[in-house]
Amino acid sequence: QQQVKQSPQSLIVQKGGISIINCAYENTAFDYFPWYQQFPGKGPALLIAIRPDVSEKKEGRFTISFNKSAKQFSLHIMDSQPGDSATYFCAAMSQGGSEKLVFGKGTKLTVNP
Amino acid sequence: DVKVTQSSRYLVKRTGEKVFLECVQDMDHENMFWYRQDPGLGLRLIYFSYDVKMKEKGDIPEGYSVSREKKERFSLILESASTNQTSMYLCASSSLSGGGGNEQFFGPGTRLTVL
Repeated sequence: QQQVKQSPQSLIVQKGGISIINCAYENTAFDYFPWYQQFPGKGPALLIAIRPDVSEKKEGRFTISFNKSAKQFSLHIMDSQPGDSATYFCAAMSQGGSEKLVFGKGTKLTVNP
Repeated sequence: DVKVTQSSRYLVKRTGEKVFLECVQDMDHENMFWYRQDPGLGLRLIYFSYDVKMKEKGDIPEGYSVSREKKERFSLILESASTNQTSMYLCASSSLSGGGGNEQFFGPGTRLTVL
């Protein structure tokens, strides 16, 4: 019930392509869904987040799509760049409950030039 | 800018040693977290503190303890280090969400090797 399942584990995309990372959850109490980006040697940093009252949120080349009925959400990176090469983590939490985030296991994205 | 600092970037210890990992945040955040990060396993929560002297076990607390005597500082203690505790340790902090989202700010991590 507390898990967030993330796929794929690794992803290789050509420069200019679209990167798509998917996450699924079981706990219907989750109501905040952030994505974190981690570069080698650094801690993760918040990239973009969504709440379930909207089905999509876009910030520049990064878009979260959210499907409440399917309990799934995904990160789309348009026009992927080599500088986007990083590990991406999806996460979820219930804002009315514990302050803890439940993280997916991460996706290592490589964007080839 | 929010800053979360960790006392060491790299640490090498011997089996059985007592190990202290220190984390300091400068944004007056109520919540502080300790995670460990291992390849293929993602970020796993060890302990969480929502106030001074308050703590809550995470998913993998065995072999660890924590201390939060001041709001800005959260320490992770390995009472008797073992080789299976070799990992990257990440500290994070956040303010109370209050329904507005709950961004966690992470430190750069401490890579601990236990020999």
